[in-house]
Amino acid sequence: KNEVEQSPQNLTAQEGEFITINCSYSVGISALHWLQQHPGGGIVSLFMLSSGKKKHGRLIATINIQEKHSSLHITASHPRDSAVYICAVFWAVRETSGSRLTFGEGTQLTVNP
Amino acid sequence: GAVVSQHPSRVICKSGTSVKIECRSLDFQATTMFWYRQFPKQSLMLMATSNEGSKATYEQGVEKDKFLINHASLTLSTLTVTSAHPEDSSFYICSARDLAGFKKTQYFGPGTRLLVL
Repeated sequence: KNEVEQSPQNLTAQEGEFITINCSYSVGISALHWLQQHPGGGIVSLFMLSSGKKKHGRLIATINIQEKHSSLHITASHPRDSAVYICAVFWAVRETSGSRLTFGEGTQLTVNP
Repeated sequence: GAVVSQHPSRVICKSGTSVKIECRSLDFQATTMFWYRQFPKQSLMLMATSNEGSKATYEQGVEKDKFLINHASLTLSTLTVTSAHPEDSSFYICSARDLAGFKKTQYFGPGTRLLVL
């Protein structure tokens, strides 16, 4: 079982729709990233969360540490939002006393005009 | 914001040749850089963790003699794919962690697409 699971895997929406992408994880984490990967491959970090909620423009990210769950919302979606959205969690690796970033498999979002 | 660059962005090479990919943190110092590999429609897979001034830590199943990593300074790490074969064709992404690591912020490079013929 993957330590990070995202849903849905694929999402198609019409321009203007409100979009939600979910992320559940099974390990105790110290922080969670939401990343955006465009077709060219480059990755942009959208949010880093350890509690509560963050907002940037039309994007909102929330996290519930107790429930081990995070959501990424896009309001008034636009075709340029079409990309793969990846949830990634930081968790401590006891053996190395370091921390590791573990990725979900991503959600392919397509927003049609 | 912080920027990580990679060079080259795309490379095509013949089987048996070696390819070097550079990863630079442009406006911050990174004691730790990460190298990931991504196959089509799949998530990123960590290949190795590169620490400045010491040997890289490789993930299970990643051949250290094939994927040579050098982290010579706080702003530069290189990945060399030695004797590349077609199965090494992939998208390679580096990531750098801000020196103020308690922030747990990682910045990602734009990636390098490698095609081995």
